Amino acid sequence: KAGVTQTPRYLIKTRGQQVTLSCSPISGHRSVSWYQQTPGQGLQFLFEYFSETQRNKGNFPGRFSGRQFSNSRSEMNVSTLELGDSALYLCASSFSGSGGTKNIQYFGAGTRLSVL
Amino acid sequence: GENVEQHPSTLSVQEGDSAVIKCTYSDSASNYFPWYKQELGKRPQLIIDIRSNVGEKKDQRIAVTLNKTAKHFSLHITETQPEDSAVYFCAASIGGSQGNLIFGKGTKLSVKP
Repeated sequence: KAGVTQTPRYLIKTRGQQVTLSCSPISGHRSVSWYQQTPGQGLQFLFEYFSETQRNKGNFPGRFSGRQFSNSRSEMNVSTLELGDSALYLCASSFSGSGGTKNIQYFGAGTRLSVL
Repeated sequence: GENVEQHPSTLSVQEGDSAVIKCTYSDSASNYFPWYKQELGKRPQLIIDIRSNVGEKKDQRIAVTLNKTAKHFSLHITETQPEDSAVYFCAASIGGSQGNLIFGKGTKLSVKP
């Protein structure tokens, strides 16, 4: 079974631009969560999607948005990029995200975003 | 808001010694507590998890304990090996949603041969 796949692996953008990151979950997984990882703040939850609906949201500004498609693939968009948005963006998929032994979150390798 | 405190931030042990990492959480509705290991340049990998109806769980050299009253959980690694060197993250679910995890800041474990 293929793991969680994130594309692209690396991105370089300039301030003010926007960016779209993609995440393909493990086959059969319907929950996709996104996290931002930085050396100073660690892993911070952005949002979770389940069945094309945003189910949970972290404390990030509205410049950060996402969506999920009917095949459970998810995209994350960041508009009006700021220097502080430079980070590793990780997505994680699970069967349903709710309680139970099937709902372990498996992480992708991440997209390293650098904002210049 | 909800948060997870993790200590220590760095930990250095000799090969064969034990390592203990401690976390406290604030959301009394949290019911799922995973631990992830992240090696340099790699993705976080789940190493063990525990649910709120269990006080302790073991998997070979790794064990996790949970004290719901104190909102405290710990990771114990026995007989450490150099390949255990990595950053370890604890996490707690927000309420009953395992799709929404709050992570600790991480512990960088170094095991010296």
